[in-house]
Amino acid sequence: EAGVAQSPRYKIIEKRQSVAFWCNPISGHATLYWYQQILGQGPKLLIQFQNNGVVDDSQLPKDRFSAERLKGVDSTLKIQPAKLEDSAVYLCASSVTGEGQPQHFGDGTRLSIL
Amino acid sequence: AQSVTQLGSHVSVSEGALVLLRCNYSSSVPPYLFWYVQYPNQGLQLLLKYTSAATLVKGINGFEAEFKKSETSFHLTKPSAHMSDAAEYFCAVSARSGSARQLTFGSGTQLTVLP
Repeated sequence: EAGVAQSPRYKIIEKRQSVAFWCNPISGHATLYWYQQILGQGPKLLIQFQNNGVVDDSQLPKDRFSAERLKGVDSTLKIQPAKLEDSAVYLCASSVTGEGQPQHFGDGTRLSIL
Repeated sequence: AQSVTQLGSHVSVSEGALVLLRCNYSSSVPPYLFWYVQYPNQGLQLLLKYTSAATLVKGINGFEAEFKKSETSFHLTKPSAHMSDAAEYFCAVSARSGSARQLTFGSGTQLTVLP
């Protein structure tokens, strides 16, 4: 079974530029998550999708972050404009629907803001 | 709201020694609990999960964890550490928040294994 695919693995941009990350979840996983992991911290949920609908985006900084999952499969997360504090690893995860189902993570995109 | 506390941001053990990584949770409802491991430049890999069946849960790579409701703890153990166990370990609690079931992570424990 193929795992969660993310690209790019690394990205370096200057502040105020825009950047986009892509995620392809495990086949058949209806739920998709985007997390931000700042160095030395645990992942923090940004947004959760169920198929192509948003279930929770309460911690997404909507003035600069956006995400979509138009066809209920792959997803993109965008930051525009980027700030220095956005430097982090952005992790995508997916799971099947149901109580207690574990999330499966991709290897993440490491974003550095100069 | 749920929260997770991992005691000790860094733990060092000698190869062959017992590994004990501590996790305490706070949840208003019976939770699902998970331990994940993260190797450098990789995503999180599931070690084990507790979903209200047996309180002693066995996972991959020889790890296990015991759910203790009275202590609100879910500590991770391994009888004998191996060099390959060096990584960062995250405890997480899954509980319902509104219409969604959310995963809340602890801040992680970096495990160093000394030769």
